[in-house]
Amino acid sequence: AAGVIQSPRHLIKEKRETATLKCYPIPRHDTVYWYQQGPGQDPQFLISFYEKMQSDKGSIPDRFSAQQFSDYHSELNMSSLELGDSALYFCASSLAFVGSGELFFGEGSRLTVL
Amino acid sequence: AQSVTQPDIHITVSEGASLELRCNYSYGATPYLFWYVQSPGQGLQLLLKYFSGDTLVQGIKGFEAEFKRSQSSFNLRKPSVHWSDAAEYFCAVLHNFGNEKLTFGTGTRLTIIP
Repeated sequence: AAGVIQSPRHLIKEKRETATLKCYPIPRHDTVYWYQQGPGQDPQFLISFYEKMQSDKGSIPDRFSAQQFSDYHSELNMSSLELGDSALYFCASSLAFVGSGELFFGEGSRLTVL
Repeated sequence: AQSVTQPDIHITVSEGASLELRCNYSYGATPYLFWYVQSPGQGLQLLLKYFSGDTLVQGIKGFEAEFKRSQSSFNLRKPSVHWSDAAEYFCAVLHNFGNEKLTFGTGTRLTIIP
């Protein structure tokens, strides 16, 4: 079965550079979530989209932005990167309002900022 | 706000021994609770979930969890662990259906010794 696809899997950037992470949800899923997991930390919710509209926002820095496109894939843009942005970024998808409550996670994109 | 607490940061058990990982929740109504497992460098895999009904929930890989309202707990158990169970385990609570934003506990790292 198709899963959530994230790219790139690994990314190395310098401070103050920009990075873009991509997420391709499970086909027919209409909701995408982004989570950030720092080293040794639990995943923290950043932002979510339902039907291409932002549905919820968590602890996402102003330097970060995200959107969901017409094909339901999502991109997380991170600018003016800081060392503290080094983390594993997860994308998850779900089909809203079906009552399953289950998020399907991708394998994550590991960002290292030098 | 809903939250979950995992009191044990790190647990070590012998292969073949039984396992119990603790999770306590804070929520006024009936919570929607999940256990996820994360192997090193990997994504989050759903082990099991509780929404309502039978308080003993069976999951994948031989895991089960019991919802105890009186103790505000949702502990994960396995009668006999295997070396492949070594991983990080996260308890999580769902905020509401339709916007499946999860709040994770801080995780419990499980080490298996021969």
